[in-house]
Amino acid sequence: GAVVSQHPSRVICKSGTSVKIECRSLDFQATTMFWYRQFPKKSLMLMATSNEGSKATYEQGVEKDKFLINHASLTLSTLTVTSAHPEDSSFYICSDNTGELFFGEGSRLTVL
Amino acid sequence: GENVEQHPSTLSVQEGDSAVIKCTYSDSASNYFPWYKQELGKRPQLIIDIRSNVGEKKDQRIAVTLNKTAKHFSLHITETQPEDSAVYFCAADSNYQLIWGAGTKLIIKP
Repeated sequence: GAVVSQHPSRVICKSGTSVKIECRSLDFQATTMFWYRQFPKKSLMLMATSNEGSKATYEQGVEKDKFLINHASLTLSTLTVTSAHPEDSSFYICSDNTGELFFGEGSRLTVL
Repeated sequence: GENVEQHPSTLSVQEGDSAVIKCTYSDSASNYFPWYKQELGKRPQLIIDIRSNVGEKKDQRIAVTLNKTAKHFSLHITETQPEDSAVYFCAADSNYQLIWGAGTKLIIKP
């Protein structure tokens, strides 16, 4: 099946800084990737759909300027949490869109 | 839009017994229903899925049943083992995206 690699797995940052999370498709070309957020003991919440070469599609209630998504190539999608605050602390995870979802390893963000 | 409800939120079973997790959905147009297993701190992994043209699917100790009329589907795990302990999520497709259930924490008691 498809392989999706996500980096970093853990990141700790100070309030006000920005953090970039990368999601790579290793053995296939991804025109679309999904970005999810998962709070402790909660389900996956779809944040946005990144589209290669065009703007991401954000779900209702997700701040576009806060969560910047870029999908500049067929193998790389990035999520940047800008001006991070403690409430942004969460588990962020990406997946492909090839039918059966293959997830990245996830990134646990802790904002101090 | 689609709404997926999953029950129970926590399920504790004795090792060797069976476990059943149930989900209901609202969008009658949904036709793909996957189940994912997520171990603590790890990514969800697909364990089994079913499409609307099939009523039941089995893969070793895991089976999924679908009742389209009632709009519910269930995950069945037989002969449970300690490694089955995890959180299980159901999902249903709607408008080319998956709508997720809230998850069930499965605890296997030794």
